Amino acid sequence: GAVVSQHPSWVICKSGTSVKIECRSLDFQATTMFWYRQFPKQSLMLMATSNEGSKATYEQGVEKDKFLINHASLTLSTLTVTSAHPEDSSFYICSARDPGQGKDTQYFGPGTRLTVL
Amino acid sequence: DQQVKQNSPSLSVQEGRISILNCDYTNSMFDYFLWYKKYPAEGPTFLISISSIKDKNEDGRFTVFLNKSAKHLSLHIVPSQPGDSAVYFCAASDGGYNKLIFGAGTRLAVHP
Repeated sequence: GAVVSQHPSWVICKSGTSVKIECRSLDFQATTMFWYRQFPKQSLMLMATSNEGSKATYEQGVEKDKFLINHASLTLSTLTVTSAHPEDSSFYICSARDPGQGKDTQYFGPGTRLTVL
Repeated sequence: DQQVKQNSPSLSVQEGRISILNCDYTNSMFDYFLWYKKYPAEGPTFLISISSIKDKNEDGRFTVFLNKSAKHLSLHIVPSQPGDSAVYFCAASDGGYNKLIFGAGTRLAVHP
């Protein structure tokens, strides 16, 4: 299947700082990428849909000014958690849709564990 | 409002037997369904999918069945192996926005 990478795999930061997470599709071009958040023992919560060359579409309740998404190329989307606070600590996962595969099949990155002190 | 439900939070199966994971949905606009497997601290791995025009799709040990009238799908794993122990997520899409709606997951434990 298609390969999606994320960097970093884990990050610890101080409260008030900003953290950038990268998501790359390695062997295909992804016009659409997705950012999810997962709390312990819970399901994946879609945060936003990232479209190459246009603004991201945020889900209800997700602050777009806090979670900045940039999809600058067909293989890279970034999520920046601005002015991070301890409640932002979570597991962030990106996914990408491979147009060459099944209709809506998304391939996921390995995730990024964010801990805000 | 949970549009995709996995009512069993956990399932324990003996190695070599069949594992059956269930998923129910409420939105009749969903036309594509997927199963993902997830280990702790890793991203989900795509397993198998099915379109609403089919009622069965098979890939090796994994078979997904779709019952549209009951708005129910299931994943069968035969034979179950210890390496199958993970959390399994059911997901659905209505095609319009490419968004996937995930269930809460079922933790499968395959024991010797």
